[in-house]
Amino acid sequence: AQRVTQPEKLLSVFKGAPVELKCNYSYSGSPELFWYVQYSRQRLQLLLRHISRESIKGFTADLNKGETSFHLKKPFAQEEDSAMYYCALDAGGTSYGKLTFGQGTILTVHP
Amino acid sequence: EPEVTQTPSHQVTQMGQEVILRCVPISNHLYFYWYRQILGQKVEFLVSFYNNEISEKSEIFDDQFSVERPDGSNFTLKIRSTKLEDSAMYFCASSRLTSVRGTDTQYFGPGTRLTVL
Repeated sequence: AQRVTQPEKLLSVFKGAPVELKCNYSYSGSPELFWYVQYSRQRLQLLLRHISRESIKGFTADLNKGETSFHLKKPFAQEEDSAMYYCALDAGGTSYGKLTFGQGTILTVHP
Repeated sequence: EPEVTQTPSHQVTQMGQEVILRCVPISNHLYFYWYRQILGQKVEFLVSFYNNEISEKSEIFDDQFSVERPDGSNFTLKIRSTKLEDSAMYFCASSRLTSVRGTDTQYFGPGTRLTVL
């Protein structure tokens, strides 16, 4: 069965500092990986997905199949980035659409 | 921008009672999902629904749970006889299309907090 691990429950950085939210997964096939974000009192929303190879709000994430990781990075954190971040995996195949989430990381960006 | 809506935002019920959680997915979406998040734990997949039938369900989704699309707009999750451990935030989500070729973006509702006393 697939599993997603986010080792840091809490992450604090200062404004302007680089930030990296870690995500590791275990799955033998070729999954799709996503980062979802939940700002205070808002709903879960997609931040980015690995197949898009986009940079959203300055965030990027690269799928490393060798290390089975999909870490989320931003070179200069902003206060408005403070939120809960979830890494999620879709195994595809017959389980397409079923997202497996990590525990989530609360990012706090201090002024 | 269209959004997934859920009602009620908070439901309190007694153990053993039936509850129905309601969701209105985005209108042109074809795939619907329920997830739940027990306080302090991960968001967990419950069930996916397409073309008026369940596509996949998790181990959590036992006989006490059922889903229905009673009309063209609503998507409901029913828990027949609630247990204390059913207390959680329940999220509905929808997507345009999902296939073996890939997953479309799932759009989440704001959630319904279910408290079982």
